[in-house]
Amino acid sequence: EVQLVQSGAEVKKPGESLKISCKGSGYSFTSYWIGWVRQMPGKGLEWMGIIYPGDSDTRYSPSFQGQVTISADKSISTAYLQWSSLKASDTAMYYCVRHSTGAFDIWGQGTMVTVSS
Amino acid sequence: QSALTQPASVSGSPGQSITISCTGTSSDVGSYNLVSWYQQHPGKAPKLMIYEVSKRPSGVSNRFSGSKSGNTASLTISGLQAEDEADYYCCSYAGSSSDYVFGTGTKVTVL
Repeated sequence: EVQLVQSGAEVKKPGESLKISCKGSGYSFTSYWIGWVRQMPGKGLEWMGIIYPGDSDTRYSPSFQGQVTISADKSISTAYLQWSSLKASDTAMYYCVRHSTGAFDIWGQGTMVTVSS
Repeated sequence: QSALTQPASVSGSPGQSITISCTGTSSDVGSYNLVSWYQQHPGKAPKLMIYEVSKRPSGVSNRFSGSKSGNTASLTISGLQAEDEADYYCCSYAGSSSDYVFGTGTKVTVL
């Protein structure tokens, strides 16, 4: 079965760092781009950026450039999304997605990140 | 890159057809046949329903269809069923500077 399995929910304080993960299985992880999508509470989907695990080529939405870092470790079929200094406004559900033929065909279950003092 | 514009809500009775619009610009929807649609039930991850404007992934009901004209894409749900009640989002490729942009989302209610 093709799937993306994300790391569990996180509760952090403002200013802390965080790295969440997304492990792919059931397909060739290095052959598909992996993206990240944010969904703030009660709000819509927002495109954050994408990485090609085969060569780590990475692109960011202008809205998220400089705010987060996307990386991947192809040896363990895992992509990451990280923050160096969290803000309360980073509180959201984060989904990793597999990119195929101009769409996102596989979605992770989501990782809820709560940032609160 | 601004979000694509969708109606906030659309409703219909069981068995009816409804259409959700997704309006972008000549830089995204109008330039590429890379429009996709996603269904999201409460508390669940989104699910791909349509890709490349009008193609259905395996397993998606043929009651769902997509189209595009100019800068506006559309998702039509025919034979509306209770299980179709969900939020729907469109998404379009927007070129190498922005990559992708999502729509504002539409809540579909089955009356």
